[in-house]
Amino acid sequence: EAQVTQNPRYLITVTGKKLTVTCSQNMNHEYMSWYRQDPGLGLRQIYYSMNVEVTDKGDVPEGYKVSRKEKRNFPLILESPSPNQTSLYFCASRGPGQRNQPQHFGDGTRLSIL
Amino acid sequence: GQSLEQPSEVTAVEGAIVQINCTYQTSGFYGLSWYQQHDGGAPTFLSYNGLDGLEETGRFSSFLSRSDSYGYLLLQELQMKDSASYFCAVWGDYKLSFGAGTTVTVRA
Repeated sequence: EAQVTQNPRYLITVTGKKLTVTCSQNMNHEYMSWYRQDPGLGLRQIYYSMNVEVTDKGDVPEGYKVSRKEKRNFPLILESPSPNQTSLYFCASRGPGQRNQPQHFGDGTRLSIL
Repeated sequence: GQSLEQPSEVTAVEGAIVQINCTYQTSGFYGLSWYQQHDGGAPTFLSYNGLDGLEETGRFSSFLSRSDSYGYLLLQELQMKDSASYFCAVWGDYKLSFGAGTTVTVRA
């Protein structure tokens, strides 16, 4: 089954404790991205990756890092989490070529930073 | 940068047709997509309308006016399961920017 898998689904942690949210897709997609969703703001893109070792900033990259060492994995790293990063996070991937290809989203990760 | 505006809420009855409008401002435009989201779950693709094609799924269709920077999603034969949030999103370069979402409530 084609899917995007995020882990963990839920996490409560404290300010300053480094955390990583993993994202893996089994569709051999080149394009992957991370979004955060906050009430009233829709989804905002954090980082995206066009392919292995190619990453770029989205609209809200501050406080986040990503890496793309393998095509299937695109982890999101919060080196020193702060309460304003409490949010619902989605990873997504898209097939090659044109933008009319739908993005496939993971089920989301709810992060609470205390 | 990019910005999108869409209504915050729409209410309609089963069987009706609903139109969700979206106006956008973008520095580079490739296409307008629409996604559905139920209760904070994974967004799912509904439609894409842009320079490189048109994709639509099921009872959902879309319209785009590039000259007016405007588009809409049409939901036909509304069903209770269509109660959800709907997001328009603009592809500019390689980034996808979303609107704040429209909550559609379907009443019996």
